[in-house]
Amino acid sequence: NAGVTQTPKFQVLKTGQSMTLQCAQDMNHEYMSWYRQDPGMGLRLIHYSVGAGITDQGEVPNGYNVSRSTTEDFPLRLLSAAPSQTSVYFCASTRSGYNNEQFFGPGTRLTVL
Amino acid sequence: QQQVKQSPQSLIVQKGGISIINCAYENTAFDYFPWYQQFPGKGPALLIAIRPDVSEKKEGRFTISFNKSAKQFSLHIMDSQPGDSATYFCAARKNSGYSTLTFGKGTMLLVSP
Repeated sequence: NAGVTQTPKFQVLKTGQSMTLQCAQDMNHEYMSWYRQDPGMGLRLIHYSVGAGITDQGEVPNGYNVSRSTTEDFPLRLLSAAPSQTSVYFCASTRSGYNNEQFFGPGTRLTVL
Repeated sequence: QQQVKQSPQSLIVQKGGISIINCAYENTAFDYFPWYQQFPGKGPALLIAIRPDVSEKKEGRFTISFNKSAKQFSLHIMDSQPGDSATYFCAARKNSGYSTLTFGKGTMLLVSP
């Protein structure tokens, strides 16, 4: 199993550009989440999904869109990038059930100029 | 409102010493408390987790101590090694259907040789 994969690993955008961060998992996990990590801020939840076709907002959803058309994929879209969105983005997945482990991807480092 | 408070922000320990990281929470509905370890350039990975029906859980050199009445839990790393140098995050989750993890802000641990 590849686990949770993310592409690209690095990305530089100009303010106002749009892009999609890709996330995929091959563990047949129902739950998937997107976090951003900023120095001194820990991991903050952007959006999450409890299954195909079902998404919800986390702590910091503004400026981001998600969709979940399949169990495997959970892309994160930046509609109009801003410098405040410079961060490291992590995708994670979890099997449904009680207290199951959350697996993280390797991250995407995004810089918005 | 920060639901999980983690301290210290950074910690330097000599090789062979004990590293202690503390977390406190407010929400009494939390009932799953994992610790994640993150090396530079990598995604977080589950290190050890505890439920509040036990006061301590040990896995190798890593121990979680849990104080339900004080709403505090801590990670102890015995015989700390340079390879333990990483960022550590505590987290908490409610057991109500699917509930997302709430993370502390992280502790950067450096174990000096």
